[in-house]
Amino acid sequence: KAGVTQTPRYLIKTRGQQVTLSCSPISGHRSVSWYQQTPGQGLQFLFEYFSETQRNKGNFPGRFSGRQFSNSRSEMNVSTLELGDSALYLCASSLSQGGSYEQYFGPGTRLTVT
Amino acid sequence: GNSVTQMEGPVTLSEEAFLTINCTYTATGYPSLFWYVQYPGEGLQLLLKATKADDKGSNKGFEATYRKETTSFHLEKGSVQVSDSAVYFCALSDTGNQFYFGTGTSLTVIP
Repeated sequence: KAGVTQTPRYLIKTRGQQVTLSCSPISGHRSVSWYQQTPGQGLQFLFEYFSETQRNKGNFPGRFSGRQFSNSRSEMNVSTLELGDSALYLCASSLSQGGSYEQYFGPGTRLTVT
Repeated sequence: GNSVTQMEGPVTLSEEAFLTINCTYTATGYPSLFWYVQYPGEGLQLLLKATKADDKGSNKGFEATYRKETTSFHLEKGSVQVSDSAVYFCALSDTGNQFYFGTGTSLTVIP
C-alpha cells in the first residue's frame, strides 16, 4: 500500500506570495492532519480534516487554510507569506477519527520564504 | 488541556548502551500514547503505541509502558545501535483524533 505523499518536496517562495501544498493520504484513510515543524517551535498542529470537514484547528493565523476533497486528498494554502513561515510542513493521515488510530506521516514539504 | 513533556536533548550514547527517553503527559480522559521517530530529511514514522493503561508497546527492540499512575510513557531500548540515531517524539491522541507532540529528543549513537 502506498504511503502518504506530499508535493512538492521543496519550494522557495518570496515574502508576500502565496503557496499551495498537496497531500495524498494512504488509500482508505479519511482523516488528514497538517503540521508545521521548525527548529525553534517543534511540531505544531495546523488543522485536521475528516470527510471534507475541518474537525480540529490549531492556533495559527487565518493566512493558513486548508481543504479536503472527496477522495480525501488535502491541500493547505498559506497566503501573504512571511519569513517566519519557512518550515517543514508535514501531512499525516489516519484511518478514522478516534484516539487509537495512529497517524502516518508523509515526507514533508520544505518551504523556504526569502 | 492536553500536553506532552519529554526530556531535553541532545542525548549521545555509545553503541550497545541502554537508552531511556522520558515522556510525561497531561490529558483529560484516556488518551492513546505513541512514540514516533524522525530520521534526517524524512517525515515521522510510528515506532510504537499503547492505547490503555498498563499496555506495553514494543517494536525493533524499543519498549514503552503506559503508566497512568505516573502519567508517563518512557521509551527504552536495551542496546542502541548507530542506526538508531534520530529524533524521537512522544505524542498523545485524544478521542477527537488531535495529536499532541513533545518537542523531540535528538539521539546520537557513536560507534
